[in-house]
Amino acid sequence: GAVVSQHPSWVICKSGTSVKIECRSLDFQATTMFWYRQFPKQSLMLMATSNEGSKATYEQGVEKDKFLINHASLTLSTLTVTSAHPEDSSFYICSARPLGTDQETQYFGPGTRLLVL
Amino acid sequence: GESVGLHLPTLSVQEGDNSIINCAYSNSASDYFIWYKQESGKGPQFIIDIRSNMDKRQGQRVTVLLNKTVKHLSLQIAATQPGDSAVYFCAETANGDYKLSFGAGTTVTVRA
Repeated sequence: GAVVSQHPSWVICKSGTSVKIECRSLDFQATTMFWYRQFPKQSLMLMATSNEGSKATYEQGVEKDKFLINHASLTLSTLTVTSAHPEDSSFYICSARPLGTDQETQYFGPGTRLLVL
Repeated sequence: GESVGLHLPTLSVQEGDNSIINCAYSNSASDYFIWYKQESGKGPQFIIDIRSNMDKRQGQRVTVLLNKTVKHLSLQIAATQPGDSAVYFCAETANGDYKLSFGAGTTVTVRA
């Protein structure tokens, strides 16, 4: 149980294009999903908290117009990197917190590797 | 083998030996701690967690120790196996906040 998937697993795009990454909780519902970015040999950095039915909360320094987040249902959140540039190349990971639990445990997706040329 | 996660980011251990991975945290209000394992190119995988009202918790081949006095957390892996090679992160949160703060991570390499 508690499986989170991401699609695509990797993507290569040209500079200036937009890329959408999906995060799905497969066997549970999640009111809250989180988006992280991880550069090589570094830790996970929280970008934003995605809440179903409301606007995402972004961490300091993360541009909300650059990284669009939509949490359309209790099992799906999407992250769109708009007008991507080479410095946006990174490993993007989502996590989800199960609905109806007061535990802080998050279940992580397998990550999406983005390469912007 | 033993390492301090924030100051010695790599740990090499002989297969079959026990591993100790350390993590220091700074927020005295942190009350929930989790250890994650991340294999290359994959997302973090939950290993074990502990709340601040405990100082030790055991799982299968893993033990987490918490010393709140010095704000120190450790993960012990018994009889380390090649499949244990990965990056290990500690994460913490406080007061029911669902946002996790991750440590720098320790790369564990198991020697055959």
